[in-house]
Amino acid sequence: DVKVTQSSRYLVKRTGEKVFLECVQDMDHENMFWYRQDPGLGLRLIYFSYDVKMKEKGDIPEGYSVSREKKERFSLILESASTNQTSMYLCASSLVPITSQGRETQYFGPGTRLLVL
Amino acid sequence: KNQVEQSPQSLIILEGKNCTLQCNYTVSPFSNLRWYKQDTGRGPVSLTIMTFSENTKSNGRYTATLDADTKQSSLHITASQLSDSASYICVVSPGAAGNKLTFGGGTRVLVKP
Repeated sequence: DVKVTQSSRYLVKRTGEKVFLECVQDMDHENMFWYRQDPGLGLRLIYFSYDVKMKEKGDIPEGYSVSREKKERFSLILESASTNQTSMYLCASSLVPITSQGRETQYFGPGTRLLVL
Repeated sequence: KNQVEQSPQSLIILEGKNCTLQCNYTVSPFSNLRWYKQDTGRGPVSLTIMTFSENTKSNGRYTATLDADTKQSSLHITASQLSDSASYICVVSPGAAGNKLTFGGGTRVLVKP
């Protein structure tokens, strides 16, 4: 079974702090994703990576950065946390890109619920 | 703008009853549609994936339908169980956008004994 783990289930930070969210997958997947999930808005893509050291902006990258130094690990960084970044953060991975012809499934981690005070 | 709308936002059903969740999308061009189940405090788990040429797909007591002409999909849960209590998320792949999926807001289902 694919396993995607996230470093923390719950996190409380103060405004202005630098926050690191870690995600690790154990299935040698090429593609990894970071989403945030807010009530009524659905999941929104922050960043994704299709290879080590490669990254692409998603729909809402502002205020975030990412790091992919190793294939199995994808980190989301909040350089200076703000209250509007309070959310549930979900990491996902897939073997190949979610392409137009594919049936590829994204496998999600359990999520990190971040509260910024 | 690509959008995925789900209805109802939430529903309560009695154990053993059936229910149907709706998903309407405006994503174009359309490639495939996924339904995910998300238990409280967990990440989403894939239930079904349908391409534009498929109009029904089953996974146990879950049956998804797709009408690509009207851009509608439904997820039918048969003989609901307490473990079906979760959020169900409809996700559409716009094809040309590669890794970027469009997610619906989800329908929260509560199954009561």
